[in-house]
Amino acid sequence: KQEVTQIPAALSVPEGENLVLNCSFTDSAIYNLQWFRQDPGKGLTSLLLIQSSQREQTSGRLNASLDKSSGRSTLYIAASQPGDSATYLCAVRNSGGSNYKLTFGKGTLLTVNP
Amino acid sequence: EPEVTQTPSHQVTQMGQEVILRCVPISNHLYFYWYRQILGQKVEFLVSFYNNEISEKSEIFDDQFSVERPDGSNFTLKIRSTKLEDSAMYFCASSETGLRGQPQHFGDGTRLSIL
Repeated sequence: KQEVTQIPAALSVPEGENLVLNCSFTDSAIYNLQWFRQDPGKGLTSLLLIQSSQREQTSGRLNASLDKSSGRSTLYIAASQPGDSATYLCAVRNSGGSNYKLTFGKGTLLTVNP
Repeated sequence: EPEVTQTPSHQVTQMGQEVILRCVPISNHLYFYWYRQILGQKVEFLVSFYNNEISEKSEIFDDQFSVERPDGSNFTLKIRSTKLEDSAMYFCASSETGLRGQPQHFGDGTRLSIL
């Protein structure tokens, strides 16, 4: 059974700092990994999707990497801003069979202080 | 940018009552999903739906739950007889296809409170 873990559970940084959020998963047989942002009381906004054959994806100040064999992904946020404050979730989609579901981690609560 | 919309944003229901949560997926998407998030816990998969059939469901999705696409735009989740432990945020999601490279897009959720 796939388990997804995110470390740290919470992170507080000053504005302008570069930071890394970590995600690990126990079963490396995945189709893809998706990073989401969740604002309090809101839905999930998809940030980046990395397919199993890819090593990284970039969107603006965000860069996500994937090391499938070791079961790890990182989300790098450059030059953080107060507006980046949110919970960041990673989720994996397992390969094989009729697997459509995403398995989520519990998230990292990021606070960027002005 | 197209988005998934969910109604209502908050639903309060007495235990034992039936509740229907509604979703309008992105218009050209063919795969639909429901997830839930109990307060303080992980987002959990409930069910996926394609071509008017359930394609995958979790252990949580028991006989009390059902899904339906009643028309060309809506996708609904029905809970027949609600329990206190059904209190959660319910998210609808959709994807263009079921192919591995397609991201799932989520709505803002319906907060379901069972009294």
